[in-house]
Amino acid sequence: GENVEQHPSTLSVQEGDSAVIKCTYSDSASNYFPWYKQELGKRPQLIIDIRSNVGEKKDQRIAVTLNKTAKHFSLHITETQPEDSAVYFCAASRDGSSNTGKLIFGQGTTLQVKP
Amino acid sequence: GAVVSQHPSRVICKSGTSVKIECRSLDFQATTMFWYRQFPKQSLMLMATSNEGSKATYEQGVEKDKFLINHASLTLSTLTVTSAHPEDSSFYICSARVGFYNEQFFGPGTRLTVL
Repeated sequence: GENVEQHPSTLSVQEGDSAVIKCTYSDSASNYFPWYKQELGKRPQLIIDIRSNVGEKKDQRIAVTLNKTAKHFSLHITETQPEDSAVYFCAASRDGSSNTGKLIFGQGTTLQVKP
Repeated sequence: GAVVSQHPSRVICKSGTSVKIECRSLDFQATTMFWYRQFPKQSLMLMATSNEGSKATYEQGVEKDKFLINHASLTLSTLTVTSAHPEDSSFYICSARVGFYNEQFFGPGTRLTVL
């Protein structure tokens, strides 16, 4: 079945450093890849997403890259700040009105940014 | 962005009782809603896809007679945990799909504790 693998499970960086989280997916028909940030006890918040027709997308300190051939995508956070500390989830799904749109989530990465 | 509410935010019940959780899209119509369960320090596990006016589609391993889903209108889906047991204690989160694309917005979650 569909599967998304996410690494690393935990990541600790110094404030100001960059953080990279990687995911691979199994369903070659997946074409929508969102990233969520979840703080303890709260809802996942969409921070950035990418569709399969582009290879990279950037929003201020956050960027996502997609390699369709290798079926992997990555989240890059630059100039990390303590408030970036949270659990990050990647996900994959099939876009479009003919698909259910269900998201398959990775296992999550706990990011700790040390002041 | 789109707003999704969930009620109640927290519920404690006795073993054997049933609990109903509501998920509402406040400022948009959602033809598709999703229900997830999240155990501590784990990822979101999709339980079922809820489509307005039709039966929900359950993921493998999720008991449809135990987790009753009703999506009676374009703004409301409900999840009823029937005959709850301590192992059903978890964080239940709904999400709503917006429009043609697969962007999903999550509710704040419901913390269920079964004694």
